[in-house]
Amino acid sequence: EVKLQQSGDELVRPGASVKMSCKASGYTFTDYAMHWVKQSPGQGLEWIGTIIPLIDTTSYNQKFKGKATLTADKSSNTAYMELSRLTSEDSAVYYCARSGDWEVGDYWGQGVMVTVSS
Amino acid sequence: AIVLNQSPSSIIASQGEKVTITCRASSSISSNYLHWYQQKPGAFPKLVIYSTSYRASGVPSRFSGSGSGTSYSFTISRVEAEDVATYYCQQGSSNPYTFGAGTKLELK
Repeated sequence: EVKLQQSGDELVRPGASVKMSCKASGYTFTDYAMHWVKQSPGQGLEWIGTIIPLIDTTSYNQKFKGKATLTADKSSNTAYMELSRLTSEDSAVYYCARSGDWEVGDYWGQGVMVTVSS
Repeated sequence: AIVLNQSPSSIIASQGEKVTITCRASSSISSNYLHWYQQKPGAFPKLVIYSTSYRASGVPSRFSGSGSGTSYSFTISRVEAEDVATYYCQQGSSNPYTFGAGTKLELK
């Protein structure tokens, strides 16, 4: 069974950074890319970027360049996303989603709620 | 960026009714790269239809999709109570991958 287990919700101060994880199980981690998606409160979905763990290659939505950094640890089957210089605009739920063929998100994590507040 | 215009933004339907959602792209997309997701309140999105017309594993046959080029549609042939959710189309054809604004399905 494919599972993506994300780390816990975060409360962070403005200007700080946060790093969240997405641990994959039930498939060969390096066989698939991993998407990251943002959902602001009561809003729709925004693609942040994608990492290919096999070759450590990333692609980003231009909007999130400099904001999000995607990494992956093949030894632990875990993908990470770090968000920097946080503002209230970054308060949202962040999802990881396994990238199947044609850039589809075929399996999703449960999401990490990030709240930026002083 | 390819903009996906999804309509309607909300639907109120009766159980057993047929509902259709459309997704129009600002540029042509290969049908392989157009997907549909279901998001129930408080839950993560779930893939329903991939590559325009293929049902994801375990998805009931009342869900279907069609389309090509810039015009795509998603249909629930007979709405059930468990289908109450917001539905999103998504394109993976060009960076940035984008989603429609969503269609909220409610029961009458």
